[in-house]
Amino acid sequence: AQKITQTQPGMFVQEKEAVTLDCTYDTSDQSYGLFWYKQPSSGEMIFLIYQGSYDEQNATEGRYSLNFQKARKSANLVISASQLGDSAMYFCAMRTPSGYSTLTFGKGTMLLVSP
Amino acid sequence: DVKVTQSSRYLVKRTGEKVFLECVQDMDHENMFWYRQDPGLGLRLIYFSYDVKMKEKGDIPEGYSVSREKKERFSLILESASTNQTSMYLCASSRGRGYEQYFGPGTRLTVT
Repeated sequence: AQKITQTQPGMFVQEKEAVTLDCTYDTSDQSYGLFWYKQPSSGEMIFLIYQGSYDEQNATEGRYSLNFQKARKSANLVISASQLGDSAMYFCAMRTPSGYSTLTFGKGTMLLVSP
Repeated sequence: DVKVTQSSRYLVKRTGEKVFLECVQDMDHENMFWYRQDPGLGLRLIYFSYDVKMKEKGDIPEGYSVSREKKERFSLILESASTNQTSMYLCASSRGRGYEQYFGPGTRLTVT
């Protein structure tokens, strides 16, 4: 069975600093995908970034990058130059080719950015 | 832009009532999903659908059913609401297997 672990319930960072949110995963599949979502206080889940298990380069999207270490089974999200609007809940999720490729989510990390 | 809408942001129902949560997407996506979100538990998949009239159970289908009569619409039904179904319900859609999912704004359901 697939499992996603986010060990940091909460993180604090100052504006303009970089922050890393941890995510480890467990799967026996060779082909899988990893996603990060942001959930502001408004409640809507916003897709941020995707990494495929066979992708050779770490994914980047603007200020977001994914530090993918396959041997360690980790897929950490790095946010550079934090902004106040980055304060939100962040979820890591994994998709495997088994069945219908549904997503399994971690329990999330709350990020608070202070001025 | 993908748009996923849910019929209500907030809903209060009484124990035993039949509850319908509606979700509509406007991007012709094949797959649609219903999750519930509870503090400390993250998102848990209730049901999903990969085609019209098709449905599959997720991790926690007990007490719920779904309907997908049209491609753009996916309904979650609580046949007899109970207090332990008080939760945030999130609908999502994706264009196919393995692609990113796009979420609606959520419905916060309270069952009293």
